[in-house]
Amino acid sequence: EAQVTQNPRYLITVTGKKLTVTCSQNMNHEYMSWYRQDPGLGLRQIYYSMNVEVTDKGDVPEGYKVSRKEKRNFPLILESPSPNQTSLYFCASSPGGGSAYEQYFGPGTRLTVT
Amino acid sequence: GQQLNQSPQSMFIQEGEDVSMNCTSSSIFNTWLWYKQDPGEGPVLLIALYKAGELTSNGRLTAQFGITRKDSFLNISASIPSDVGIYFCAGPGGGSNYKLTFGKGTLLTVNP
Repeated sequence: EAQVTQNPRYLITVTGKKLTVTCSQNMNHEYMSWYRQDPGLGLRQIYYSMNVEVTDKGDVPEGYKVSRKEKRNFPLILESPSPNQTSLYFCASSPGGGSAYEQYFGPGTRLTVT
Repeated sequence: GQQLNQSPQSMFIQEGEDVSMNCTSSSIFNTWLWYKQDPGEGPVLLIALYKAGELTSNGRLTAQFGITRKDSFLNISASIPSDVGIYFCAGPGGGSNYKLTFGKGTLLTVNP
């Protein structure tokens, strides 16, 4: 089944404790992206990747890092999480090229930072 | 950056009614997309539009790319309870890197 998977689905952590949220897609998509969703603010893009080893900032990149060492994986790293990073996070992927905007989303990771 | 204004913020309708929602942008778009998000799940792409004036259907859903290229509309005909969810419009966020900008969503509630 074609899908985007994220792990973990739920995570409660404390301020300053480094964490990684994994994202993997099995569709051989070139383009991958991370979003966060907050009440009243909708979905905002954190980082995206056009292809392996090519990443760029989205609208809200502060406090986050990403890497794209393999085509299928695009982990989101929070080096020193803070409470304002409590949010619902989505990973997405698309074929790139003319269909780059047609993005498939993962099931989400609900992160709470205390 | 690009701003998308989506309206209405929420709708409460009876099963069987038709629904209309719209989205306007502060700048011209070359692409409009509509997504639906069910509770506890990720957004699912419903319709993608690539030409001004384009009208595209997906089952009971119909979306239109506005002639001015600054707006888009989504209609749902004969609503059913499973249409409940949040509907988002989205468009290119600027630049050439396929960044998406999303509206804040329309929450649809369908009363059986």
